[in-house]
Amino acid sequence: EAQVTQNPRYLITVTGKKLTVTCSQNMNHEYMSWYRQDPGLGLRQIYYSMNVEVTDKGDVPEGYKVSRKEKRNFPLILESPSPNQTSLYFCASSLRGRGHSGANVLTFGAGSRLTVL
Amino acid sequence: AQSVTQLDSQVPVFEEAPVELRCNYSSSVSVYLFWYVQYPNQGLQLLLKYLSGSTLVKGINGFEAEFNKSQTSFHLRKPSVHISDTAEYFCAAAGNKLTFGGGTRVLVKP
Repeated sequence: EAQVTQNPRYLITVTGKKLTVTCSQNMNHEYMSWYRQDPGLGLRQIYYSMNVEVTDKGDVPEGYKVSRKEKRNFPLILESPSPNQTSLYFCASSLRGRGHSGANVLTFGAGSRLTVL
Repeated sequence: AQSVTQLDSQVPVFEEAPVELRCNYSSSVSVYLFWYVQYPNQGLQLLLKYLSGSTLVKGINGFEAEFNKSQTSFHLRKPSVHISDTAEYFCAAAGNKLTFGGGTRVLVKP
């Protein structure tokens, strides 16, 4: 089954304790992206990747890091989490990046709910 | 700058009644438009998309949307909702970048 898999689905952590949210897709998609969802703000893009070893900042990149060493994986790293990073996080992928046509449909993971105390 | 505005944050509606979710966008370039739905505790999935051609777009689960270039709108409609349509709905525009609206929560009441 074609899907985007995120782990963990739920996580409670404390301020300053490094954590990684993994994201993996099995569709051979070039484009991957991370979003955070907060009430009333919709989805805001954190980072995206057009292909392997190509990553760029989205709208709200502060406090996050990403890497794209393999096509299928795009982990989100919080080096020193803070309470304002408490949110629902989504990973998504599409066949091509928005720079190619803008018409590519995103496939989303089920989400990772993170609480930072 | 590109932006997407969903005019209603919450829409309560009775089962079998019609529903309309409003979406307006602003962009200096041509855009592609999307509606995504998020069921409770799930990720987003595509309802429908407008790329070009007919301005009336039909999607899954009986939803449709109409692209209105002069009003820069892409409102979503369903003539008769079911309890299972309870979800959050997101409008999105892809021009220079993909931008999501703030979402509209639809609560269908029996």
